[in-house]
Amino acid sequence: SQQGEEDPQALSIQEGENATMNCSYKTSINNLQWYRQNSGRGLVHLILIRSNEREKHSGRLRVTLDTSKKSSSLLITASRAADTASYFCAAFSGGSNYKLTFGKGTLLTVNP
Amino acid sequence: DAGVIQSPRHEVTEMGQEVTLRCKPISGHDYLFWYRQTMMRGLELLIYFNNNVPIDDSGMPEDRFSAKMPNASFSTLKIQPSEPRDSAVYFCASSFWQPTRNTEAFFGQGTRLTVV
Repeated sequence: SQQGEEDPQALSIQEGENATMNCSYKTSINNLQWYRQNSGRGLVHLILIRSNEREKHSGRLRVTLDTSKKSSSLLITASRAADTASYFCAAFSGGSNYKLTFGKGTLLTVNP
Repeated sequence: DAGVIQSPRHEVTEMGQEVTLRCKPISGHDYLFWYRQTMMRGLELLIYFNNNVPIDDSGMPEDRFSAKMPNASFSTLKIQPSEPRDSAVYFCASSFWQPTRNTEAFFGQGTRLTVV
């Protein structure tokens, strides 16, 4: 696996707006995973996108993957105050070595 | 399944003391990860196991840190002796992986360690 790097480091928006976070990685991947962390809690898996997929939806989440640019984005639509959390990506290279590492994350604050 | 279970949730200890953190992974998972999270360094992977065997411990900061997985349902992370800079939240996570099936990692609630 390899570390993904999230961008921006922090994002502050109003409730109802959309939030977009980006992730970049360096080498080819098998899949890319997004996680969320509420303050003081463990990470919770949100969505996984495989290298042969370009877009995936789950509720208010939309993830895109551009393997040519080695980047992914996570879009949260119609944000709510409860979406306030840190968001992390992890890029998995594949093979039997399932080493899962994370970047520093994006801290999203949704103001009511 | 109750998920990944870590204990204790909070630990306050004096510098120089031995600290042992415990983790029970989800039954059937064959990967177990230990992470440390601080404001300065973010979420660092310390060590991970596959089928109870340590695969990569390159993230373990010093010889004071050691981890074991005596069986598929239990792992420990030990710090001896502890130092104030070890203060952090320590997470354990487990996962299940197959070549034709991608799975996510499940995290425990973490152990908040304070060394005074």
